[in-house]
Amino acid sequence: EIVLTQSPGTLSLSPGERATLSCRASQSVSSNYFAWYQQNPGQAPRLLIYAASSRATGIPDRFSGSGSGTDFTLTISRLEPEDFAVYYCQQYGTSPFTFGPGTKVDIK
Amino acid sequence: EAQLLESGGGLVQPGGSLRLSCAASGFTFSSYAMSWVRQAPGKGLEWVSVISGNGGSTYYADSVKGRFTISRANSQNTLYLQMNSLRAEDTAVYYCAKGGRGVYNSFDQWGQGTLVTVSS
Repeated sequence: EIVLTQSPGTLSLSPGERATLSCRASQSVSSNYFAWYQQNPGQAPRLLIYAASSRATGIPDRFSGSGSGTDFTLTISRLEPEDFAVYYCQQYGTSPFTFGPGTKVDIK
Repeated sequence: EAQLLESGGGLVQPGGSLRLSCAASGFTFSSYAMSWVRQAPGKGLEWVSVISGNGGSTYYADSVKGRFTISRANSQNTLYLQMNSLRAEDTAVYYCAKGGRGVYNSFDQWGQGTLVTVSS
């Protein structure tokens, strides 16, 4: 099983600041089958990024993904109020399709 | 637009069984892999199972293998999760999620979830 480790656990920032979230895999992710999701309290997750760097439909361009192999990054260029949420990384190249434990982005 | 609506959650005793359903609309259901993902109260996401569009391929998390069975009825646009030998640690909100045309895809649409509580 590929274990995903996200850092930091919590990121405290102000609106307008840049957020950089990291996810490291215990082994190389097949074909960059890697995604990022956003989840607000009481809501279902929403797909932000797939294939490591492709934005999902309707996702603003302030969200960007990068990385390959075992190290991946989600960047939010300028935080908007609605961006304060929990973010999960996921690999879907090898079963079981594991998720990271999440990074909470909260308001400083 | 794709829509997913889960049902079938509830309170069940340890060792019991439950079948979840996910009604899909707004897309050609049979063309897409579907998954179940769960989230225990206050915890992160855990992938449970995936099934290919034609139902011919299925995969499971180790934590549910041998106890849970994923299936689909393409003629009814419905995904199922049969859960047997339920344990307290299976307590979670269960989401169905739409994948891509193959099983190795991200999940671009999610339902709102159905809560399963395993307790005596």
